[in-house]
Amino acid sequence: GENVEQHPSTLSVQEGDSAVIKCTYSDSASNYFPWYKQELGKRPQLIIDIRSNVGEKKDQRIAVTLNKTAKHFSLHITETQPEDSAVYFCAASIRSGGGADGLTFGKGTHLIIQP
Amino acid sequence: GAGVSQSPRYKVAKRGQDVALRCDPISGHVSLFWYQQALGQGPEFLTYFQNEAQLDKSGLPSDRFFAERPEGSVSTLKIQRTQQEDSAVYLCASSTGTDTQYFGPGTRLTVL
Repeated sequence: GENVEQHPSTLSVQEGDSAVIKCTYSDSASNYFPWYKQELGKRPQLIIDIRSNVGEKKDQRIAVTLNKTAKHFSLHITETQPEDSAVYFCAASIRSGGGADGLTFGKGTHLIIQP
Repeated sequence: GAGVSQSPRYKVAKRGQDVALRCDPISGHVSLFWYQQALGQGPEFLTYFQNEAQLDKSGLPSDRFFAERPEGSVSTLKIQRTQQEDSAVYLCASSTGTDTQYFGPGTRLTVL
């Protein structure tokens, strides 16, 4: 089955600086890669996703890049703000014509924004 | 509109008791997923429904775990003879059948 590795487990950056979180996946058939943000005691919330036919996607301060050959994808957050502090999870799944599949998650990155 | 809801939000069970956890997906979402999230870990896939059909139950950790979605809407995850290692947050997610999964707030299960 799919295996997703996520690094680092903890990331501390100064407010206003950029943060980068990296993930690798094992199954070359995976074609959908979402990123979720989870605050303490809250539900995971989708912040951005990318499909395997796209190399990069941006949404304001957030961007995701995908390298299919190397089987890794990264989350980039620019101009970090205190409200960006949370745990971030990457995930991978195989999207087929039959519908959506279960997600395989990384272990998470605890992002800490220092004021 | 209303998001995914789950009940109860917290459940404390004595070891050996049976529990039932409920998920109300977003109206019209055909796909429904259950995940288990241990403390400090990422969610782990348990099972997947498309309408009332359970298409994948490969993540259920043992035969004590059972899920159903008889009318293709509300789903129930049942755990029989609970054990301490079942303590976790159980998350439900739904989707239209495209990729994005929307999560509920979860049920925190504590087995004493």
